[in-house]
Amino acid sequence: GDSVTQMEGPVTLSEEAFLTINCTYTATGYPSLFWYVQYPGEGLQLLLKATKADDKGSNKGFEATYRKETTSFHLEKGSVQVSDSAVYFCALMDNAGNMLTFGGGTRLMVKP
Amino acid sequence: DTGVSQDPRHKITKRGQNVTFRCDPISEHNRLYWYRQTLGQGPEFLTYFQNEAQLEKSRLLSDRFSAERPKGSFSTLEIQRTEQGDSAMYLCASSLIGYTGELFFGEGSRLTVL
Repeated sequence: GDSVTQMEGPVTLSEEAFLTINCTYTATGYPSLFWYVQYPGEGLQLLLKATKADDKGSNKGFEATYRKETTSFHLEKGSVQVSDSAVYFCALMDNAGNMLTFGGGTRLMVKP
Repeated sequence: DTGVSQDPRHKITKRGQNVTFRCDPISEHNRLYWYRQTLGQGPEFLTYFQNEAQLEKSRLLSDRFSAERPKGSFSTLEIQRTEQGDSAMYLCASSLIGYTGELFFGEGSRLTVL
């Protein structure tokens, strides 16, 4: 079945540092890929998405590129802020478009 | 607030009791999902509805679990004869058909089974 693997956290960075959170997937066909974020005390919310190979999703300074050849969708941000502290989930939507499969999540802590 | 709302936010129960969670989706959304999340893990799919029809159920959803969405509006998730392994956060999400993967999540209902 479909699966998503993320780097384990927590990831601890200083403000303005560069962020990379690795995500790889296993799926048949051509899934759509997503990053969701969960801020403390809040529900999950969509951060960005990419629906086909080589697409780049971006939002709030975060970017991720759909790499079919490496089955990856790594999340990057050039300069993190304390307010980016949250848990980040990589996810894929199957071809049928019926459900999201999530990775285990990566906690990011940004220190001033 | 017009987001997804879940009730109750936290439920503590004794093993063997039944519990029911309610989810009110965003009003115009025709798809509604239930997920379960345990500490340190990502959400796991349980089931989803399109309008009032339950279209898919995960193998995780044992016979003790039942979900309904009468009239295609709010949904309930009932767990009968709860077990300690049922302790988790139960998440509800809604979406519009055609907006693939763009789910709007509630804050979840946390279940603790003693």
